[in-house]
This record gives sequence, structure tokens and C-alpha cells, in this order.
Amino acid sequence: AQSVAQPEDQVNVAEGNPLTVKCTYSVSGNPYLFWYVQYPNRGLQFLLKYITGDNLVKGSYGFEAEFNKSQTSFHLKKPSALVSDSALYFCAVRPFSGSARQLTFGSGTQLTVLP
Amino acid sequence: GAGVSQTPSNKVTEKGKYVELRCDPISGHTALYWYRQSLGQGPEFLIYFQGTGAADDSGLPNDRFFAVRPEGSVSTLKIQRTERGDSAVYLCASSLTVAGANTGELFFGEGSRLTVL
Repeated sequence: AQSVAQPEDQVNVAEGNPLTVKCTYSVSGNPYLFWYVQYPNRGLQFLLKYITGDNLVKGSYGFEAEFNKSQTSFHLKKPSALVSDSALYFCAVRPFSGSARQLTFGSGTQLTVLP
Repeated sequence: GAGVSQTPSNKVTEKGKYVELRCDPISGHTALYWYRQSLGQGPEFLIYFQGTGAADDSGLPNDRFFAVRPEGSVSTLKIQRTERGDSAVYLCASSLTVAGANTGELFFGEGSRLTVL
């Protein structure tokens, strides 16, 4: 069975500073990895995904994520945080192959960017 | 519309009542998913449709929960004999299948918030 761990419930960062939101995963075989963002009273919005290839994936709103196979991690990063980045962030995984098509999500990390 | 549409956005019901939640996916998306999100938790998988058939219903918590997608587009999640523990936001998502391969990313609706009193 696949699983995702987001070890930090809350991350606070000052505007203009770099941010990192951590994610580790467990899956049989190679993974598909995703980051989603959820604003208050809104649905989840896709940010970026890793399938194969370059370990550094670039996504929407200046976010990027680095896939590290040996550490089974897929941390979300942004070089310079904005107050408008404050939201709930979810990491998700599914197997690259096999019959499972649903994503398994982590419990989420609340990011607060302080002005 | 361009996105996944879910109705109702809010539903308040009494314990023991029957509830239906509707999802209208993005046009052309053959895969449809239902998730449930409780406060402070990540979305929890319920069921996945590929076309009209339920390809994986392993996430349905018990036989009070059932979902249909009779024409391969709109889906309805049905909950019988609701319990207070069913209170959550029910999320629907759809995704594109290209040449038989699911592209992976899900596009979510804004959810139906169910409150069981």
C-alpha cells in the first residue's frame, strides 16, 4: 500500500525568504508524485508533478519540487515566499505502474507567510 | 463550465436520512474519483470510475455508501442511513486518459460539505 508523510503540520516563513514544505512517500515500484494547494473554502489545485526524468520539477506560481529516490522524498520549494502563498499544501503519490489509479494524500501542511 | 462542478455545496441532514451528492466532471475526462476530507486531514480515497464502471471501490467505508456513473459523465455519491461520523467535505475529481493511460493529475471540484446532525 502507498502512503505519504508530511511531518510538519505548520510552516511559518517570512515574506521574501525561501520556503520548504517536506514530503516523504512509500510506494511499490517507481512513483508518480504530486503537490496540490488548497485555499480556504476552495477545492484542491494542482501545482506540479513528477513522473520521470529531471529530479527538479517546476510548477505553477514559482514553486518547484525535488525528487530524491534514495531518501524517498519530494519536498516543495520556492526561492522567495509571498504572503499570497499562505495556504494548505498536500503531497500525493500513486504507483507509476500497476492497477492503482487513485492518489494517496498526506495530511497536509499549513503554510503561513508572514509580511 | 470549464471545471468540475459539485452540488450541493452544503448539505445539512439528520441522522438516519438518505443523501445524494452530485458531480459533473470536466468534459472529456473519462476518469472520475470521489474523496472524503475531514477537518485537519488529507483527502481520503473512496471510489474511482473509468467510464461507467467502478474500477476501484476499495475506499468506500461500508455498504451505506454507493456511487454510480450511468452514462460515463455525471456521478452521484449516495449515502444511506447517515451517521454523524459521515460529516465531512466530499470531493470529486476527474482526470484525462490519453491513449489508455491516465495522465495522473486530478482536477478537483470545490466539494460538498455534508453535516449530519
